[in-house]
Amino acid sequence: NAGVTQTPKFQVLKTGQSMTLQCAQDMNHEYMSWYRQDPGMGLRLIHYSVGAGITDQGEVPNGYNVSRSTTEDFPLRLLSAAPSQTSVYFCASRLGQGHLNQPQHFGDGTRLSIL
Amino acid sequence: AQSVAQPEDQVNVAEGNPLTVKCTYSVSGNPYLFWYVQYPNRGLQFLLKYITGDNLVKGSYGFEAEFNKSQTSFHLKKPSALVSDSALYFCAVRDYTTSGTYKYIFGTGTRLKVLA
Repeated sequence: NAGVTQTPKFQVLKTGQSMTLQCAQDMNHEYMSWYRQDPGMGLRLIHYSVGAGITDQGEVPNGYNVSRSTTEDFPLRLLSAAPSQTSVYFCASRLGQGHLNQPQHFGDGTRLSIL
Repeated sequence: AQSVAQPEDQVNVAEGNPLTVKCTYSVSGNPYLFWYVQYPNRGLQFLLKYITGDNLVKGSYGFEAEFNKSQTSFHLKKPSALVSDSALYFCAVRDYTTSGTYKYIFGTGTRLKVLA
């Protein structure tokens, strides 16, 4: 059972480039989310999805797009990378509305540097 | 909006001694609180949660947490620390979203260092 898989693990981009961070889960979880982790700031929610075809913004959505065409996949797109987006990005998933007290499962992260 | 605070950036403790990692919360209504641990270059792993019931919650790896409503605290504890417990610890609280579902608000994290 792979859990939550994130690719790539590391990436270096130049300012203005675009890229997609991939996230896949094999637990049939309805709820998926993206966080960024920055020193001294904990984890901040970027976007989340409560099921296929449904997405919504978190605390820090600017500069990022998401889509959820399948239950398994929840990619995060940077349209025009900026140095302020240098961070570690985590994808997480959990069971849906009928299981509200269940914890989230996290991937191992993507370490992104924008030059 | 709900929030959690972790007042200590780092906690140092000697191996074999008891450890405490502090968390305070601010919520409207009943709090739903969680502790996660993060090892280097890994994602967060769930340790334990408080939903309702006993104020002392037991979790993974020998950790427990004490919910104190009067002090609005949810401190993580372990009776005897191990060097392998050295990691980054996050407290989190469940919050509502504007679209009617739930999300999680994380604290800033506390780095625990257990000295041999």
